[in-house]
Amino acid sequence: AQTVTQSQPEMSVQEAETVTLSCTYDTSESDYYLFWYKQPPSRQMILVIRQEAYKQQNATENRFSVNFQKAAKSFSLKISDSQLGDAAMYFCAYRSLYGGATNKLIFGTGTLLAVQP
Amino acid sequence: DSGVTQTPKHLITATGQRVTLRCSPRSGDLSVYWYQQSLDQGLQFLIHYYNGEERAKGNILERFSAQQFPDLHSELNLSSLELGDSALYFCASSVDTRPNQPQHFGDGTRLSIL
Repeated sequence: AQTVTQSQPEMSVQEAETVTLSCTYDTSESDYYLFWYKQPPSRQMILVIRQEAYKQQNATENRFSVNFQKAAKSFSLKISDSQLGDAAMYFCAYRSLYGGATNKLIFGTGTLLAVQP
Repeated sequence: DSGVTQTPKHLITATGQRVTLRCSPRSGDLSVYWYQQSLDQGLQFLIHYYNGEERAKGNILERFSAQQFPDLHSELNLSSLELGDSALYFCASSVDTRPNQPQHFGDGTRLSIL
């Protein structure tokens, strides 16, 4: 079974600075999808960015980018020019391409990001 | 706004009771997923419906059941409630079952068991 690990329960960053959130995963599959979701205090789950494992190029969405290291099974999220609105819980998630497992997202335990003014 | 609507936002009830959580997916989405977020278990997949049919089950208790209606809205029924069922229940929807289609989450229903 696949697992997702976020080893940083909490992180803090100064406004306008850059922060990197870590995520590692375990799988025997060769193709899959990885996602970062943001959960602000309003508790919505907002999709931040996604990465297809078969793509070498790291995904980027405005100030958010990932560092995908397939061999190391690592999928970190970099937030540049941090803003107060980035303060939230961030979840890393895995989705299989195979069988019934494709139907679900497997989440890590989350990293709580604080942004200091 | 994700376009996924969940009602009610909050629900407070007692042990042994039964509740129904409702989800309306985004317009055009045929897949509905239910997740439970609790302090001890984190975010866990419960069940997936596609166009009215159950497609996959996760860590869903036998006391819980779900269905998706012809208009594509879904309901999650929780019965014989226990204190440990207190959690945030999310519904998510996607266009279909392809794994490259992102799941869009509703705002969740906060269930508190007293």
